[in-house]
Amino acid sequence: GESVGLHLPTLSVQEGDNSIINCAYSNSASDYFIWYKQESGKGPQFIIDIRSNMDKRQGQRVTVLLNKTVKHLSLQIAATQPGDSAVYFCAAGGPYSSASKIIFGSGTRLSIRP
Amino acid sequence: DGGITQSPKYLFRKEGQNVTLSCEQNLNHDAMYWYRQDPGQGLRLIYYSQIVNDFQKGDIAEGYSVSREKKESFPLTVTSAQKNPTAFYLCASSIEDLNQPQHFGDGTRLSIL
Repeated sequence: GESVGLHLPTLSVQEGDNSIINCAYSNSASDYFIWYKQESGKGPQFIIDIRSNMDKRQGQRVTVLLNKTVKHLSLQIAATQPGDSAVYFCAAGGPYSSASKIIFGSGTRLSIRP
Repeated sequence: DGGITQSPKYLFRKEGQNVTLSCEQNLNHDAMYWYRQDPGQGLRLIYYSQIVNDFQKGDIAEGYSVSREKKESFPLTVTSAQKNPTAFYLCASSIEDLNQPQHFGDGTRLSIL
């Protein structure tokens, strides 16, 4: 079946460095991708999304890169701060379909070293 | 501030008991969703509703039931038929049921006594 997977379950980064979290998806028809941040005991919070007609999208301190050829996307966080500590997961959806078809990855836990 | 409110934050269920998790939104969103989150797994869809008075089963609907009598509310009942109910339950909403960001509540953690 379809799957969305994070490459690493955990990632430790020095405060101030850039963080890169990677995600792979299996369905080549996926055309909508979302990154969420989930802090302990809370619900997921939308960070950024990208559609398949784009390769890159930037937000505040975050950049998402999409490589459709290898079915891979990444989330880059610039100048990582202690408040960035959380679980990050990606999700992928099909073309103009119901959100009920979105597949969620299991998440990468990002920890920040002082 | 608009958002999604889930209650209670923690819930304990006895054997053979049905329990209901509350989800209320004041975002005026048409679509609402219930997900289950287990350690090391991605969110799995239980039920979703595209509009008031209508709902559909998700991937793991067995042992759960929902209602959507009001636009703002989408309660989830975990019935005694759900044999492994211990999990973190998340409610979400979106403007409409299309690929777009979903707004999530802060979840209810359900445990078995």
